[in-house]
Amino acid sequence: AAGVIQSPRHLIKEKRETATLKCYPIPRHDTVYWYQQGPGQDPQFLISFYEKMQSDKGSIPDRFSAQQFSDYHSELNMSSLELGDSALYFCASSASDRGGDTQYFGPGTRLTVL
Amino acid sequence: GNSVTQMEGPVTLSEEAFLTINCTYTATGYPSLFWYVQYPGEGLQLLLKATKADDKGSNKGFEATYRKETTSFHLEKGSVQVSDSAVYFCALGGSSNFGNEKLTFGTGTRLTIIP
Repeated sequence: AAGVIQSPRHLIKEKRETATLKCYPIPRHDTVYWYQQGPGQDPQFLISFYEKMQSDKGSIPDRFSAQQFSDYHSELNMSSLELGDSALYFCASSASDRGGDTQYFGPGTRLTVL
Repeated sequence: GNSVTQMEGPVTLSEEAFLTINCTYTATGYPSLFWYVQYPGEGLQLLLKATKADDKGSNKGFEATYRKETTSFHLEKGSVQVSDSAVYFCALGGSSNFGNEKLTFGTGTRLTIIP
């Protein structure tokens, strides 16, 4: 079965640089979520999109922005990167026509800021 | 707001031992409850879920029962294997029928099974 795809899997950036993370949801899933997991931490919700509109917002810094495109893939844009942004970034997707409460996670993008 | 309190680790057990990882929650309404597992270097995998009171989720020998009276969703397995070594996260979903709500995670419990 198709899973959530994230790219790149690993990313190394310098402080103050920008990064773009991509997420391709499971086919026919209309909702995408982004989570940030720091070292040894639990995942923290950043933002979500349903049918290309922002549906909820969590602890996402103003330096970050995201969107969902017409093909339902999503991108998380991160600017002015800080050392503290180093983390594992997960994307998850769900299907609202099937209850919508079960989120399936991608393998994550490991971002390292030097 | 919603919150999840999870048994702190790490937990180390011998192979074939009985496992319990405690999870309690605070939420309004009737949220869905989940257990996710994270193997070393990998993403989060859904292990099991329950969507209403007294539901029992089960998968791969793991079970958890949605207990509304005690606001708990403890994870159990009768006989653990070395391959069960991973980090386990209890998570709380939304209460609406529509779904599409963020997950609130517990702090995770690192489980190590020794042969």
